[in-house]
Amino acid sequence: NAGVTQTPKFQVLKTGQSMTLQCAQDMNHEYMSWYRQDPGMGLRLIHYSVGAGITDQGEVPNGYNVSRSTTEDFPLRLLSAAPSQTSVYFCASSYRQAATNEKLFFGSGTQLSVL
Amino acid sequence: KNQVEQSPQSLIILEGKNCTLQCNYTVSPFSNLRWYKQDTGRGPVSLTIMTFSENTKSNGRYTATLDADTKQSSLHITASQLSDSASYICVVRGGGKLIFGQGTELSVKP
Repeated sequence: NAGVTQTPKFQVLKTGQSMTLQCAQDMNHEYMSWYRQDPGMGLRLIHYSVGAGITDQGEVPNGYNVSRSTTEDFPLRLLSAAPSQTSVYFCASSYRQAATNEKLFFGSGTQLSVL
Repeated sequence: KNQVEQSPQSLIILEGKNCTLQCNYTVSPFSNLRWYKQDTGRGPVSLTIMTFSENTKSNGRYTATLDADTKQSSLHITASQLSDSASYICVVRGGGKLIFGQGTELSVKP
């Protein structure tokens, strides 16, 4: 099993450009989520999904869109990149969200710089 | 406000020594507390998950403790190795949400 796979590893964008961060998992997990990690702060939840066709907003959703057409894939779209979106982005998944002891599996991250 | 505070922010120790990282939280209602290890350039990896009724859990040389009364947790690393150099993140689940601490940056020197 590859686990949670994120692409690309690094990306540089100009302000106003759009792009999609890819996330795929091969563990048949129902729950998938996107976080951003900024210096001096804990990870913050952007969007999450509890199954195919179901998505919801997290703590910091503005400027980002998601969709979940399959169980395996959960792409994150930046609509019009802004310097404030410079961050490291992590995709994470677990078998189910509801079970309190579910272990969360993270991808290796995408480092995004917006100039 | 739900918060998770970790201390120290960073720590340098010599290989072979023990160390203890601290986590204080004000998350309610409380479901569980997790410790993650994050190597540079990688995503966090789960070390332990403890519920309200568990006060100690081990994973190899890592031992986590939880005092639900004082809302404190610690992660003790025994006989540190160079590969223990990483950021250690405390995460508390409460009210259906995961609240992440800022992490403690541990550097193990030879």
